Amino acid sequence: NAGVTQTPKFQVLKTGQSMTLQCAQDMNHEYMSWYRQDPGMGLRLIHYSVGAGITDQGEVPNGYNVSRSTTEDFPLRLLSAAPSQTSVYFCASGPLQRAEAFFGQGTRLTVV
Amino acid sequence: GQQVMQIPQYQHVQEGEDFTTYCNSSTTLSNIQWYKQRPGGHPVFLIQLVKSGEVKKQKRLTFQFGEAKKNSSLHITATQTTDVGTYFCAARGGYQKVTFGTGTKLQVIP
Repeated sequence: NAGVTQTPKFQVLKTGQSMTLQCAQDMNHEYMSWYRQDPGMGLRLIHYSVGAGITDQGEVPNGYNVSRSTTEDFPLRLLSAAPSQTSVYFCASGPLQRAEAFFGQGTRLTVV
Repeated sequence: GQQVMQIPQYQHVQEGEDFTTYCNSSTTLSNIQWYKQRPGGHPVFLIQLVKSGEVKKQKRLTFQFGEAKKNSSLHITATQTTDVGTYFCAARGGYQKVTFGTGTKLQVIP
């Protein structure tokens, strides 16, 4: 029972580097999303998708890109990492007909 | 955009005491969900409420959706150390966008 798989679990980047956080789900969910979690800020939505080929911005999209070429995968790209992007990133998926979202284990990213 | 505020931000209770967290929105919500995140873990779905005035129970947890559908609460009766974690409310708004509240971190003192 894989569910939602995020890789890597931990990552350290230097300022200005780019990288891709991977997210894959095996539950055939239409809805996928990326959140960042910072102390005292809760979970803030970065980008989300309601199906392959469809993406939209959340609350804090600047500095991040996404694409959804398949139902299963929803990678998050950091274009030029900044210390302000140090955070824990969660990917979530869910069926459109129901509210329940399933979260991955998270990626702890540090930008130095 | 849709904003959901939660209070309190932190709560320490003695084991056996009750605990309540509140979720408030400035706009009418079509639904509200509650999640629990254990320390070091990821959020886990608990329940969804969709009807005005709806009340649902899960063992010692009671969830309520306000009559005006602008607020919700989660009440835990007789807390246990296993209840430790952060509780989030979330609302699915236009075009399926899900917005989370700021969360309430619960610490239970044995």
